[in-house]
Amino acid sequence: GAGVSQSPRYKVAKRGQDVALRCDPISGHVSLFWYQQALGQGPEFLTYFQNEAQLDKSGLPSDRFFAERPEGSVSTLKIQRTQQEDSAVYLCASSLERLAGYNEQFFGPGTRLTVL
Amino acid sequence: GENVEQHPSTLSVQEGDSAVIKCTYSDSASNYFPWYKQELGKRPQLIIDIRSNVGEKKDQRIAVTLNKTAKHFSLHITETQPEDSAVYFCAASEDNFNKFYFGSGTKLNVKP
Repeated sequence: GAGVSQSPRYKVAKRGQDVALRCDPISGHVSLFWYQQALGQGPEFLTYFQNEAQLDKSGLPSDRFFAERPEGSVSTLKIQRTQQEDSAVYLCASSLERLAGYNEQFFGPGTRLTVL
Repeated sequence: GENVEQHPSTLSVQEGDSAVIKCTYSDSASNYFPWYKQELGKRPQLIIDIRSNVGEKKDQRIAVTLNKTAKHFSLHITETQPEDSAVYFCAASEDNFNKFYFGSGTKLNVKP
């Protein structure tokens, strides 16, 4: 079956530009997560949705970062006025059902963002 | 919040040898510990996980052990093969919150 997909796979932006990164989770998955992975590091949590509700955005590094999931499926991570330190791979993950205690998160291939 | 530390950062073994990667965590509330394998340019993929009510779990050549008292858990790969070469990440989470706190990764190189 189809896994988590993300687009674009690569994005080059000039400093100051706005970018939008898209995540298509596995169909029927309730939970959706965004992580930021700097080069040579482990993924770091950004934000979490349960259906359309954003339940945790404690990992968003600044108010330039904004995420939404308006219909409880596709999610978009938007970064305004990009800075060089935003350069990283942005990973999206989805999981089936939080309350059932089933924790496996399925990851997408990521979007590699390079800010020049 | 939770802090997960992972060692070593790089590990080189001969094909057929065993490899061990160790992680520690700080938050005693963490009760789910997955391990992900990430090949170069690819997505992280779950290889094994363990919950805090279990001390050890095995799946063919891969095993994970958990010591709740000491707050550390380890990944053991036996009879390593070149296709095991990748970066391995440990993570910790609480059931109620679900977000993962990842270690910094271990680059495993299996030499043929």
